[in-house]
Amino acid sequence: DGGITQSPKYLFRKEGQNVTLSCEQNLNHDAMYWYRQDPGQGLRLIYYSQIVNDFQKGDIAEGYSVSREKKESFPLTVTSAQKNPTAFYLCASSMGPYNSPLHFGNGTRLTVT
Amino acid sequence: AQTVTQSQPEMSVQEAETVTLSCTYDTSENNYYLFWYKQPPSRQMILVIRQEAYKQQNATENRFSVNFQKAAKSFSLKISDSQLGDTAMYFCAFSEGTYKYIFGTGTRLKVLA
Repeated sequence: DGGITQSPKYLFRKEGQNVTLSCEQNLNHDAMYWYRQDPGQGLRLIYYSQIVNDFQKGDIAEGYSVSREKKESFPLTVTSAQKNPTAFYLCASSMGPYNSPLHFGNGTRLTVT
Repeated sequence: AQTVTQSQPEMSVQEAETVTLSCTYDTSENNYYLFWYKQPPSRQMILVIRQEAYKQQNATENRFSVNFQKAAKSFSLKISDSQLGDTAMYFCAFSEGTYKYIFGTGTRLKVLA
């Protein structure tokens, strides 16, 4: 079955360390996204990528970085510059722009202490 | 800037009853798409229903239907014959021609036995 796989489900890191969240899709979707979810704030866009080797900042990109070397993969690195990294992170993909619904992974809960 | 507002942080409904979740949005665009997503306790985001702004007919998916009022910029979700499995966070989302999907802050729905 096609879908989006995020790993790991839970991630714990010490403050000051960079950490990379994995996102893989086998839906053959061109576009991929990273969202951050905090209580009471809905989903906020971190980065998105329309095609391989291209990506754009979303609304809250500071302290994060991404790469898109393969169509199937869109890893997110949370750097030590991110001031409040503890959150639930969701990866998504879509066939194209606005008329295509987003398909989501199961998410990664990152806790930084 | 486009915004999506869900004014009901929490709602409850008796099993088998009908409940309506409200969503309003703000945009100057004429063509766009609206979505309702469900996030159960597993935190997997699932598409419930979508509406194309240029279609006057309200979208329906089994027990889920929308009341789309374009002039009022309103997009409410009606759940008929509520089931315990409908207990979840529900997010309204908007997309208008780019790769940015804007989400509301969500409504937590609890279906009571």
